[in-house]
Amino acid sequence: KAGVTQTPRYLIKTRGQQVTLSCSPISGHRSVSWYQQTPGQGLQFLFEYFSETQRNKGNFPGRFSGRQFSNSRSEMNVSTLELGDSALYLCASSLNDRVDYGYTFGSGTRLTVV
Amino acid sequence: DAKTTQPNSMESNEEEPVHLPCNHSTISGTDYIHWYRQLPSQGPEYVIHGLTSNVNNRMASLAIAEDRKSSTLILHRATLRDAAVYYCILRDLNNYGQNFVFGPGTRLSVLP
Repeated sequence: KAGVTQTPRYLIKTRGQQVTLSCSPISGHRSVSWYQQTPGQGLQFLFEYFSETQRNKGNFPGRFSGRQFSNSRSEMNVSTLELGDSALYLCASSLNDRVDYGYTFGSGTRLTVV
Repeated sequence: DAKTTQPNSMESNEEEPVHLPCNHSTISGTDYIHWYRQLPSQGPEYVIHGLTSNVNNRMASLAIAEDRKSSTLILHRATLRDAAVYYCILRDLNNYGQNFVFGPGTRLSVLP
């Protein structure tokens, strides 16, 4: 079956612009989470959605936002991009939000801010 | 979330067993122990998880200490494709969010 699909795979943006990243979870999965990975900070949790509701949010500024649609697809948006936003953005999906379920990650979107 | 401690790096020879340790001395009774690994240029991949009893699947085994303050991920025969960063993560049964707290993990090198 298809895995978690993230688009685009690579993106180059200019400082000050905004960007939208997309995540299509595995069919039937209702929980979607987003993570930022950088060499310095490692993997950091951004937010999690379950049935179109944001359940948790990590410690990121309000420039980072997201949403989930009724088909469980999710988008995250970063406004007013900064150089430090350059990172690999990962999406993960799970059947539900139970902690005894494993999660499937996508391959990520590599964002470069210049 | 309770924290985990793992060695920064480990080495193994191909086709030999690998034991990756994880300490979680502040684990609570409702924390599940999850292991993920991240191969180069890929997102993390689920490996295994457990609560109290040892667990086996096609990828690995998870041995959980009786007091649950530590656990060990066992790869029975390491292959070159097992070279990755391995993350040990605790997930609270009472926490309904998906906020995994990833530490730096253990970078496993497999020597041919």
